Amino acid sequence: KQEVTQIPAALSVPEGENLVLNCSFTDSAIYNLQWFRQDPGKGLTSLLLIQSSQREQTSGRLNASLDKSSGRSTLYIAASQPGDSATYLCAVRPLLYNFNKFYFGSGTKLNVKP
Amino acid sequence: GAGVSQSPSNKVTEKGKDVELRCDPISGHTALYWYRQSLGQGLEFLIYFQGNSAPDKSGLPSDRFSAERTGGSVSTLTIQRTQQEDSAVYLCASSRVLFRTGLNSPLHFGNGTRLTVT
Repeated sequence: KQEVTQIPAALSVPEGENLVLNCSFTDSAIYNLQWFRQDPGKGLTSLLLIQSSQREQTSGRLNASLDKSSGRSTLYIAASQPGDSATYLCAVRPLLYNFNKFYFGSGTKLNVKP
Repeated sequence: GAGVSQSPSNKVTEKGKDVELRCDPISGHTALYWYRQSLGQGLEFLIYFQGNSAPDKSGLPSDRFSAERTGGSVSTLTIQRTQQEDSAVYLCASSRVLFRTGLNSPLHFGNGTRLTVT
């Protein structure tokens, strides 16, 4: 069964810092990987989706990379702002079995201090 | 609508009662998912609907849980004889299906229903 791990569980940084969030998965047979943010009391907002054939995706200050062979993805946030404070989750979609399911990590709770 | 809509946003119920949660997906999205998020936990897959195909119910935790999707649009998740361990946020998500590839575009989530069983 696919297992997705996110480390650290929580991170606190001063405003303006560049930071990296990590996501690892145990089964490299994935179709895609998606990063989300979740604000308190809200649902998940999609940030970036990387297909298995891609190495990275960029949107504004966000850059997500994927290394399928090592079972890792990173989300890079440049010049962090207090508005980036949220919980960030990654999810992988299997390539073969359980194709309809996305497997989620438990998230990294980010606090950007003004 | 502009996004995935879920109702109610909050539900408090007594143990043993039945509850019904509703999800209205984005127009044109044929794939619909229900997930459960317990405090401090990751998202747990419950059920998946795709068009007129038989739903994937493999994530439903017990036979007290059921879901249906009428007319390929609105979905309801029903929990019978609720237990305290059912307390969680129930999230619905939808996505388009790219027919050429048969694979989904990004998931779009609603704001969830926070269920508290007392």
